[in-house]
Amino acid sequence: EPEVTQTPSHQVTQMGQEVILRCVPISNHLYFYWYRQILGQKVEFLVSFYNNEISEKSEIFDDQFSVERPDGSNFTLKIRSTKLEDSAMYFCASLRGAGYEYEAFFGQGTRLTVV
Amino acid sequence: DAKTTQPNSMESNEEEPVHLPCNHSTISGTDYIHWYRQLPSQGPEYVIHGLTSNVNNRMASLAIAEDRKSSTLILHRATLRDAAVYYCILRHGGSQGNLIFGKGTKLSVKP
Repeated sequence: EPEVTQTPSHQVTQMGQEVILRCVPISNHLYFYWYRQILGQKVEFLVSFYNNEISEKSEIFDDQFSVERPDGSNFTLKIRSTKLEDSAMYFCASLRGAGYEYEAFFGQGTRLTVV
Repeated sequence: DAKTTQPNSMESNEEEPVHLPCNHSTISGTDYIHWYRQLPSQGPEYVIHGLTSNVNNRMASLAIAEDRKSSTLILHRATLRDAAVYYCILRHGGSQGNLIFGKGTKLSVKP
């Protein structure tokens, strides 16, 4: 069964450092997303990406965040200068689109710990 | 997207049916009802979705009230692996937009 793959599974970084979280969405999917979940809290939407550009973003997704799909397969989330409050699980998701909008596939997540 | 209301937690015994309720009194005519679940330490996982008619798939059944203001996710025989947080989410038909997760219902399954 196809799956969304995220690396690394766990990342520890120092406050102020840049981190890049990587995702490989399912190959024939067209829509890509990043969500985050702070420990014990709700899953929160960060950003959606379609046709090589951001289609929607939340208030959380400020200038410190950026996304890229550099090579047609990887989908990355960069946090430029991490803060303690960025510590969370980050989930990548993809959606096939074109009549298959009902099922989003999520990766296993990257646990980001900012110290 | 319209709001949903779910109980914070529910308990079930293994191999018994589980009925997880969801209220969505402000649902619009084009909103689909989606259910996702999140197993411990994993990403959310699609379970089922529907518009007006009841739906069945290999994972669960979805019963939708006639006025569509509520729905029930039915797990026919709960297993220990079904212990998870279950989210009821409304989504505009044909939308590729983001999912808005609430707090969901934490289902515990007792052996």
